Amino acid sequence: AQTVTQSQPEMSVQEAETVTLSCTYDTSESNYYLFWYKQPPSRQMILVIRQEAYKQQNATENRFSVNFQKAAKSFSLKISDSQLGDTAMYFCAFMKHVGNAGNMLTFGGGTRLMVKP
Amino acid sequence: GAVVSQHPSWVICKSGTSVKIECRSLDFQATTMFWYRQFPKQSLMLMATSNEGSKATYEQGVEKDKFLINHASLTLSTLTVTSAHPEDSSFYICSAKGSQGKNSPLHFGNGTRLTVT
Repeated sequence: AQTVTQSQPEMSVQEAETVTLSCTYDTSESNYYLFWYKQPPSRQMILVIRQEAYKQQNATENRFSVNFQKAAKSFSLKISDSQLGDTAMYFCAFMKHVGNAGNMLTFGGGTRLMVKP
Repeated sequence: GAVVSQHPSWVICKSGTSVKIECRSLDFQATTMFWYRQFPKQSLMLMATSNEGSKATYEQGVEKDKFLINHASLTLSTLTVTSAHPEDSSFYICSAKGSQGKNSPLHFGNGTRLTVT
């Protein structure tokens, strides 16, 4: 079974600054996907960024980037130029690759991020 | 983009009654849907995997006779909470994998807040 650990229950950052959210995971799989999801107060799950384990290059999406360290099983999220709208719960998630049917996500416990004006 | 519609968005019911939650993929076919449960300030926990045309696969500790899942078509999965109790009060979220093969993203519904009185 896979486990995902987010060691920071809460974090805060000043608007326009940079913040890094930590995530570690444990798996015996060699082929898998990692995700960061954002859950604002509306409770809608929003995909922030995705990383495929076989890709060495770290994924980036505008202000969001990851530091994927496969050997260390670490997958941190960096948010640059933080905006007030980034305030939300952030979940790190793991999904093992199983053909075209896909598989379920295993979520970390979440990090509540507050961006302060 | 692909949309997953979940209905109702919130429901209040009395103890002992049953409640049905629907999860629809609006513009794509989903052979597999996932049902999650989220308690306040906690992470999403997978309850079951819903497979079109076959029995759902339940996670350990989830009572299949209490949480009935039906996936009768490629666009609809339903979760019925039977004989609801106050401890069943929670936020239930479904997700479905797109139909674009192995790289298809997971799409989430907006969730259903269930309150059992």
